[in-house]
Amino acid sequence: DQQVKQNSPSLSVQEGRISILNCDYTNSMFDYFLWYKKYPAEGPTFLISISSIKDKNEDGRFTVFLNKSAKHLSLHIVPSQPGDSAVYFCAASAAGGTSYGKLTFGQGTILTVHP
Amino acid sequence: DGGITQSPKYLFRKEGQNVTLSCEQNLNHDAMYWYRQDPGQGLRLIYYSQIVNDFQKGDIAEGYSVSREKKESFPLTVTSAQKNPTAFYLCASSGQVRGEAFFGQGTRLTVV
Repeated sequence: DQQVKQNSPSLSVQEGRISILNCDYTNSMFDYFLWYKKYPAEGPTFLISISSIKDKNEDGRFTVFLNKSAKHLSLHIVPSQPGDSAVYFCAASAAGGTSYGKLTFGQGTILTVHP
Repeated sequence: DGGITQSPKYLFRKEGQNVTLSCEQNLNHDAMYWYRQDPGQGLRLIYYSQIVNDFQKGDIAEGYSVSREKKESFPLTVTSAQKNPTAFYLCASSGQVRGEAFFGQGTRLTVV
């Protein structure tokens, strides 16, 4: 039962263009969402997050949009750079408790940005 | 520098052996976690601990054991009961405020 899904295993974009990575979730208890970036053989690094009380959060080139009614979120990277090439994981956290690192992850999307 | 240190980076295990993966953090975080990553899959939670001397099973705890004797340390033992232990193991920690979880650099375990 995949509660967080990233249906696109890979995405290829040209440098300078927009990258849009998508994520869907099924658990209504999720109220906090995060995006992580990961290089091979390294740990994930945090990119950006959004609480369910918001529908948009922006940090530099990265913007996350949340559509609660559709249980869908997306990460926009503008402009895309070759250094953005990595695996991107969507993750979700449920309300309650203080185990904020107890996350449910999607399968990941491999982003390749071509010069 | 504050962070999470996992060791070793690479580990080889013979079938039937137990191995222990180390995780240490100096972020003063109360909660610590172990995740496993398999090729083409997301991270799956093995065990987590909210406070010292307490821990809970995650989604895939079978064949694993943990201890939390110190706030800074959360070692994971992969026992011989784990049928498919070859994977990339990640340790993480989180603080009191809702936000990101911090991850270590990972340990790649291979059964030979």
